[in-house]
Amino acid sequence: AQKVTQAQTEISVVEKEDVTLDCVYETRDTTYYLFWYKQPPSGELVFLIRRNSFDEQNEISGRYSWNFQKSTSSFNFTITASQVVDSAVYFCALGNFNKFYFGSGTKLNVKP
Amino acid sequence: GAGVSQSPSNKVTEKGKDVELRCDPISGHTALYWYRQRLGQGLEFLIYFQGNSAPDKSGLPSDRFSAERTGESVSTLTIQRTQQEDSAVYLCASSSRSGTGYTFGSGTRLTVV
Repeated sequence: AQKVTQAQTEISVVEKEDVTLDCVYETRDTTYYLFWYKQPPSGELVFLIRRNSFDEQNEISGRYSWNFQKSTSSFNFTITASQVVDSAVYFCALGNFNKFYFGSGTKLNVKP
Repeated sequence: GAGVSQSPSNKVTEKGKDVELRCDPISGHTALYWYRQRLGQGLEFLIYFQGNSAPDKSGLPSDRFSAERTGESVSTLTIQRTQQEDSAVYLCASSSRSGTGYTFGSGTRLTVV
C-alpha cells in the first residue's frame, strides 16, 4: 500500500527560527518519486521539490533543505531562518507517473 | 497555456443539481489528474488520464462522478445529483511524461447548498 504520513498537524514558530517538517512514507515500489508542495492561504499548490528513489543526496535551495533517507522511509523538509511568508500548509507526496498520494499536510504558522 | 487553467473558480449549486468543472492543462502535458480537497484536509486522488490510455478512475468516490478528456486537451469533471458532502475544492494538475513534478491549477471551489 502507498501511504504518506505527516504526523505534525500544525507547527508554530517565531520568525528566524529553523523548523523541520516530517514526512514518512510507505511503498512497495522500487522506483518512486517524492515531492513537497506548499499551499499558501491563497490556495494554490506550489511545487517545491521532486526527488526520485535512487537519489538520496540531500538538497539545499536557499533557506530550504531536504533530507531523504531511504532506510527510514523519510523525506523531511527544513526551513532555515523562517519568515512570515513561509506560513502555509506543506504537503509531502509519494508516487510515480500514475498516481500520487498526498499526506494530510502540516500547517506552518510563522509569527513575527 | 502558461499554466493549468480551471473554471469556474467558484461554483455554488443546489443539492441535486449537476455540475461540470473544466480543466485546461499545460500545452504538451500528456498527464492530467483530478484531486479533491475538503476544507482543512489533504488531497484526495480522483482520476488520472495519460494520453490516449484508459484513465485510472480508482479514486472516484461514487458513480455520480465522471470525467472525460479527449486526447491531451481539456478535461471535464462532472458531478451528478450533487450532495453537500461534495463541497470541496477540486484541483486539476498536469504533467509531462518525464514526471518533473506536476503543476496544479488554482482549483474550483464547489459549494453545495
